[in-house]
Amino acid sequence: GAVVSQHPSWVICKSGTSVKIECRSLDFQATTMFWYRQFPKQSLMLMATSNEGSKATYEQGVEKDKFLINHASLTLSTLTVTSAHPEDSSFYICSARTSVGNIQYFGAGTRLSVL
Amino acid sequence: QKEVEQNSGPLSVPEGAIASLNCTYSDRVSQSFFWYRQYSGKSPELIMSIYSNGDKEDGRFTAQLNKASQYVSLLIRDSQPSDSATYLCAVNIDRGSTLGRLYFGRGTQLTVWP
Repeated sequence: GAVVSQHPSWVICKSGTSVKIECRSLDFQATTMFWYRQFPKQSLMLMATSNEGSKATYEQGVEKDKFLINHASLTLSTLTVTSAHPEDSSFYICSARTSVGNIQYFGAGTRLSVL
Repeated sequence: QKEVEQNSGPLSVPEGAIASLNCTYSDRVSQSFFWYRQYSGKSPELIMSIYSNGDKEDGRFTAQLNKASQYVSLLIRDSQPSDSATYLCAVNIDRGSTLGRLYFGRGTQLTVWP
């Protein structure tokens, strides 16, 4: 399968700071990437669709000014959690979609802990 | 509201048995269906994709789709302890577009005991 790299895998930060998470497709070009959030024992919740060269599309209830998404190239999307608060602590996972078969391959995830 | 429902389990089967995982979805326009496996603390990994009614087999895994009943299942034959994980059903709801968004069920926790 395709390889998606996500970095960092773990981050601890103070309340009020911003955190940037990177998602890279290593062996294929991804015009579309997705960002998910997963709380303990819950399923993946889609946050937004990241489109190369255009604005991200956010799901209902997700604050676009808080979760900034940039998809500047065909292999890289970034998610910035701005002014993070303890309730933002979660497991953030990105995926990249292949053009054939509409299959999403996931990064390893980033565990964010906001103190 | 797009809903994907799974029995959260836990489902427990002995080694060598068949594990049966079920999923129903509410949106009739759904076109693509996926099963992912997620180990604790890890991200999901793709097991199977299925797009048309009927069965699709890949090794020990068989996915079954019935669009009329809005039902998709996954059978795991000759279950192994290494199959113990949470299995997530995902449904693509973006018909006729290239968005390809997936909505996930809450997952079924499977335990295969030796």
